[in-house]
Amino acid sequence: DAKTTQPPSMDCAEGRAANLPCNHSTISGNEYVYWYRQIHSQGPQYIIHGLKNNETNEMASLIITEDRKSSTLILPHATLRDTAVYYCIVGGGKLIFGQGTELSVKP
Amino acid sequence: SQTIHQWPATLVQPVGSPLSLECTVEGTSNPNLYWYRQAAGRGLQLLFYSVGIGQISSEVPQNLSASRPQDRQFILSSKKLLLSDSGFYLCAWGTGLAPREQYFGPGTRLTVT
Repeated sequence: DAKTTQPPSMDCAEGRAANLPCNHSTISGNEYVYWYRQIHSQGPQYIIHGLKNNETNEMASLIITEDRKSSTLILPHATLRDTAVYYCIVGGGKLIFGQGTELSVKP
Repeated sequence: SQTIHQWPATLVQPVGSPLSLECTVEGTSNPNLYWYRQAAGRGLQLLFYSVGIGQISSEVPQNLSASRPQDRQFILSSKKLLLSDSGFYLCAWGTGLAPREQYFGPGTRLTVT
């Protein structure tokens, strides 16, 4: 499975867009990019996934670069409830959670 | 809609005591089921997964075991707990078509004393 690199922490102002980057330079052609988040003391929550095209759902948007070596998860209007650890996972097998990015949404 | 239940929510057990954690899923049939553990301040570690009744795959050798007696029931057990078994235990379900799209339960926080 390809490795991912995420910043350990980020801050975002409430109501603004939160853009969470992920580098996955060793991704192979058939590997999807998955995003999960974990709010403190809860189980992880699936957010979105994609292969090549940009994806959008009710929670977020996923932008994947043309060379697929990096992606960005966008929360368009962050709220305090979006404060969580966000995990970027790449690969074709089991879920392997790294350390993720701790996003703090501030009033 | 699908829901996943875990119990108990919290548990304090002495070293050497047995353990049984239960997970059930509603609203889907023949799900893939998973047990994860998250130690304090660390990432999730996959412990076991099952693609069907009686089919268990172990990811990490340890003193834990898992069983799937029914299609939507997954049980995590231990005969004798160790201090190192403390952690946050999470059950998840997914489908075979999208094994990396998993839905997690609320978790059980286990403290071994």
